[in-house]
Amino acid sequence: NAGVTQTPKFRVLKTGQSMTLLCAQDMNHEYMYWYRQDPGMGLRLIHYSVGEGTTAKGEVPDGYNVSRLKKQNFLLGLESAAPSQTSVYFCASDGAFGQETQYFGPGTRLLVL
Amino acid sequence: RKEVEQDPGPFNVPEGATVAFNCTYSNSASQSFFWYRQDCRKEPKLLMSVYSSGNEDGRFTAQLNRASQYISLLIRDSKLSDSATYLCVVDYGQNFVFGPGTRLSVLP
Repeated sequence: NAGVTQTPKFRVLKTGQSMTLLCAQDMNHEYMYWYRQDPGMGLRLIHYSVGEGTTAKGEVPDGYNVSRLKKQNFLLGLESAAPSQTSVYFCASDGAFGQETQYFGPGTRLLVL
Repeated sequence: RKEVEQDPGPFNVPEGATVAFNCTYSNSASQSFFWYRQDCRKEPKLLMSVYSSGNEDGRFTAQLNRASQYISLLIRDSKLSDSATYLCVVDYGQNFVFGPGTRLSVLP
């Protein structure tokens, strides 16, 4: 049981490049989330999903897109990376919003030059 | 007012000390409250949920004051291994809001 995994662990992009971050969970959780964490600001929700085929915007969705084609996977895309998107990205999942622990992946460190 | 605010820290305490962290939130309708722990360059992990009646887990005690919209975490007999950043988490209807965290360093 791997829990929540994320790939890649670290990536350097040039401004304007695109990339996709992959999150996978093996706990059969319905809810999945993408956060970014910046110094002094805590985790901020980018997008989330309440089930396969659904997505919704969080607090800071601009510049990102997501897809949940399979229940166990939640993809975060950056179409045209900007230096302001330099951050640590965490994926999380839980079985029932507000009632259960959110399990986090190990994070992806992204540097946009 | 920010949605979730925490003591700015950092807190530097000697081993064996008792330390308390405070957290305030702005949504009076919030129903779920948690404390998470985050080690340096690691992911957050649940430390404990916070219940209306207050709850204790070993050396850790969490309390909730709904009237004042205030949550606290008390750590007794601090250990070196308690050094981490502690995140206050509150539900805001459709999603959770994380506080910026309070960093704790327990010194030998």
